[in-house]
Amino acid sequence: QKEVEQDPGPLSVPEGAIVSLNCTYSNSAFQYFMWYRQYSRKGPELLMYTYSSGNKEDGRFTAQVDKSSKYISLFIRDSQPSDSATYLCAMKRGSSASKIIFGSGTRLSIRP
Amino acid sequence: ETGVTQSPTHLIKTRGQQVTLRCSSQSGHNTVSWYQQALGQGPQFIFQYYREEENGRGNFPPRFSGLQFPNYSSELNVNALELDDSALYLCASSTAGTESTDTQYFGPGTRLTVL
Repeated sequence: QKEVEQDPGPLSVPEGAIVSLNCTYSNSAFQYFMWYRQYSRKGPELLMYTYSSGNKEDGRFTAQVDKSSKYISLFIRDSQPSDSATYLCAMKRGSSASKIIFGSGTRLSIRP
Repeated sequence: ETGVTQSPTHLIKTRGQQVTLRCSSQSGHNTVSWYQQALGQGPQFIFQYYREEENGRGNFPPRFSGLQFPNYSSELNVNALELDDSALYLCASSTAGTESTDTQYFGPGTRLTVL
């Protein structure tokens, strides 16, 4: 069993829709949770960084962490065609921990 | 753009050869991490260097080795290349050792193909 599970998609939604992306994990030691966006032929770009359980909002993006269920989510409101990319969840044990564990990524396509 | 650069962009090698990939960290960052990303997969942690010393390693064999230089640029060396080494190799720089979130900023990657 992988430490981090993520549905690979692809997920296709119309422009303006709310997108929900999710990951589950098995290691209760994870404390820091991240979402990265990766465009084709590019490196991952950090979108959201959260510590422990709770919600964090940044513009059209909201990250949720539920440590009791070992479940994290990323919501994208008013989705745009430019949001089409692969979204990677990621997590690590401590603020200075060197090893980030990534999910396999969800391919998202926003239809104009 | 993150300010992290990698070279070369693409590379083709044959099985058994050796390869060196290079990374230039974002200005002010003292830590570099290397990841391997196979097609359709998330990045997998290879190792991290902090102030020129290895500071954590993933499940990769010793033929994967690295260096970090005083100017915080870095190299990833892979010996005895295997077909399964074909992947996108990413480096990420950060400022570990401060009160920052240790956010890692990724470069665009080097696409390695082993034939």
